[in-house]
Amino acid sequence: AQSVAQPEDQVNVAEGNPLTVKCTYSVSGNPYLFWYVQYPNRGLQFLLKYITGDNLVKGSYGFEAEFNKSQTSFHLKKPSALVSDSALYFCAVNGVSFGNEKLTFGTGTRLTIIP
Amino acid sequence: DVKVTQSSRYLVKRTGEKVFLECVQDMDHENMFWYRQDPGLGLRLIYFSYDVKMKEKGDIPEGYSVSREKKERFSLILESASTNQTSMYLCASSSIHEQYFGPGTRLTVT
Repeated sequence: AQSVAQPEDQVNVAEGNPLTVKCTYSVSGNPYLFWYVQYPNRGLQFLLKYITGDNLVKGSYGFEAEFNKSQTSFHLKKPSALVSDSALYFCAVNGVSFGNEKLTFGTGTRLTIIP
Repeated sequence: DVKVTQSSRYLVKRTGEKVFLECVQDMDHENMFWYRQDPGLGLRLIYFSYDVKMKEKGDIPEGYSVSREKKERFSLILESASTNQTSMYLCASSSIHEQYFGPGTRLTVT
C-alpha cells in the first residue's frame, strides 16, 4: 500500500518570509510525487511533480520541492511568501510499481500568509 | 488547456434520492477518477476508470457506483443518498502522471 503524511494541518507564515509545507510518503518501489493547491471553492490545481532526475523540482507560482529518498520526504518550499499563496495544499504519491495513474493524497495543509 | 467540467457546483438532495454527478473531459484521457473531499481527511478515491466501460473500486466505494459509456464522460451515482454522503465531490482525468481536476460539486443530503 502507498500512503502520504502531511504532519501539519495549518502553517502560518509572515509575508515575505520563506515557507515550507512538509510531506512524507511510503510506497513500494520508486515514487512519483506531486503537489496540488486548492483555492477556496475551487478544484485542485497542479503545482509540480517529481518523476525522475534532479531532486529539486521547480513548479508554478515560484514553488519548488525537494525529493529526499533517504528521508522519504517531498517538502514544498518557496523563498518569499505572498498573501496570494494562502490556500490548501495537498501532497500525493503514486508508486511506480502500481502501473497506473492512481494517486494517494495526504490530508492537506492549510497555508495562511499573514500580511 | 485541459478542461474537466462537472455538471453542478452545488446540489441539495433528500435522503433516499438517486443522485447523478456528471463529469466531462475534453482531452481524450484514458483515466478518470472520482474523489470525495472532507475536512481533515483529504481526498479519498471512490472509483476510477482506465477505459470505456472499465472501472475499479477505490478506497471508499460503498454506497456509490459509476458509469463510463463514452471516453469523455464519467458519472458517479449515489443509488440512495444518505446524510453521510454530504461532501465535496471532485472529478479528475489524467495523462502521463498528471491529474486534472474539475471545479467540484458540493453535495448536501438532507
